[in-house]
Amino acid sequence: DSGVTQTPKHLITATGQRVTLRCSPRSGDLSVYWYQQSLDQGLQFLIQYYNGEERAKGNILERFSAQQFPDLHSELNLSSLELGDSALYFCASSGIENEKLFFGSGTQLSVL
Amino acid sequence: GQNIDQPTEMTATEGAIVQINCTYQTSGFNGLFWYQQHAGEAPTFLSYNVLDGLEEKGRFSSFLSRSKGYSYLLLKELQMKDSASYLCAVRGDYKLSFGAGTTVTVRA
Repeated sequence: DSGVTQTPKHLITATGQRVTLRCSPRSGDLSVYWYQQSLDQGLQFLIQYYNGEERAKGNILERFSAQQFPDLHSELNLSSLELGDSALYFCASSGIENEKLFFGSGTQLSVL
Repeated sequence: GQNIDQPTEMTATEGAIVQINCTYQTSGFNGLFWYQQHAGEAPTFLSYNVLDGLEEKGRFSSFLSRSKGYSYLLLKELQMKDSASYLCAVRGDYKLSFGAGTTVTVRA
């Protein structure tokens, strides 16, 4: 168990809908990262937060947004969902910024 | 930006040694990580290199040459449970970018 908690584990929804994925980092970790992993693709970096502030942005679509709350948990919001958004979404956390990442077990999103 | 290359697949026999190479180009370098990922599961940390040289950790070793933009992960005494995807990741300015991964299949 990495100590990073992601909910829900599975999510099935329809095109055009909006969903929210939640992540609780390891106790004491200030950095939260979001990654998308589609079938046959590597981990694609979406966005990173450090102590509530956005730190780095990757190839995140405008339909996607995220935030980190004062209690350090984070949410990833995906809207106007398309079939191609179906993927495994991972959250990871680290203490200081150059430390190794600990990954949650992921949220499997299926858009039908 | 960052560009990370590693082979797509490798196959080896139980008890053998396999070396997975990773080459990278990055603006700003703050370390290279190797992760193991079994299908459908979360990646788990294997090793970290920030200075040139070899880091050994049990059956796994990782090497880094910053001047060549090159790293390798060495898996010794392969076991069936080592069948997985191995991800090379480079930390540039803040973000940690992953390569597409190398699927290692261990055969009896």
